[in-house]
Amino acid sequence: GQNIDQPTEMTATEGAIVQINCTYQTSGFNGLFWYQQHAGEAPTFLSYNVLDGLEEKGRFSSFLSRSKGYSYLLLKELQMKDSASYLCALNPPSNNAGNMLTFGGGTRLMVKP
Amino acid sequence: NAGVTQTPKFRILKIGQSMTLQCTQDMNHNYMYWYRQDPGMGLKLIYYSVGAGITDKGEVPNGYNVSRSTTEDFPLRLELAAPSQTSVYFCASSYSTTNEKLFFGSGTQLSVL
Repeated sequence: GQNIDQPTEMTATEGAIVQINCTYQTSGFNGLFWYQQHAGEAPTFLSYNVLDGLEEKGRFSSFLSRSKGYSYLLLKELQMKDSASYLCALNPPSNNAGNMLTFGGGTRLMVKP
Repeated sequence: NAGVTQTPKFRILKIGQSMTLQCTQDMNHNYMYWYRQDPGMGLKLIYYSVGAGITDKGEVPNGYNVSRSTTEDFPLRLELAAPSQTSVYFCASSYSTTNEKLFFGSGTQLSVL
C-alpha cells in the first residue's frame, strides 16, 4: 500500500517563497506528481518527478528524494492566484493500470497581501 | 477540443435513489478513471478502465458500478444512494503510458439527503 502525508494548511505572503512538503511510505512507485486545485475546480497538472533531483518550471519547482521518501513543491514570487490546494500523488510501478494515482490529502495554501 | 466533460455539475438525491454520472472524453485516451473527493481530503479512486470493455475496482468501489462500451464514455452508476456518497466526483483520462498526466473533468457535486 501507499501512505502519503502533507501539511493540511499553509499561509504565505505575496511575493515570498513557500515550500510544500510531501512524505510517503510505499513499496514502490514509478513517479510523483504535483497537482494544483483551486476551490471548486478540477485538479490541474503541475509537475512530475521520476528521478531524484529538482525539476524547474518557471515559478514552480518540484524536488524528489527516493532514499528519504520525500518530495517538495517550491513556489517562488507568490501571487494571490496561487491560493489553492496542492496535491501530491504517486503512480504505481509500471503495470497495465495506466496512471492509477494515489493522492495525498492536499495542502491548502493561502496567500495574503 | 473539449477534453473531459462531466454531467451533471450538481445533483441532489434522496436516500435510495439511483443515478448515472456521465463522463466523455474526446482525446482518444484509453485510460479513464473515477475519483471522489470528500471535503478537505484528497482524491480516492473508485473505478478505472484501461480500454473499452475493460473495467476494474479502485480503492473505494462499494456502492458504485461502471461500464465502458466505447473509448469515449465512462459512466458511473449509483444504484442505491446513501449519505456516505455525498462527495465531489471527478472523471479523468490519460494516454496509454504510465507516466502521463491525468486530464480531469470539472466535477460533479453530489448530495444525498
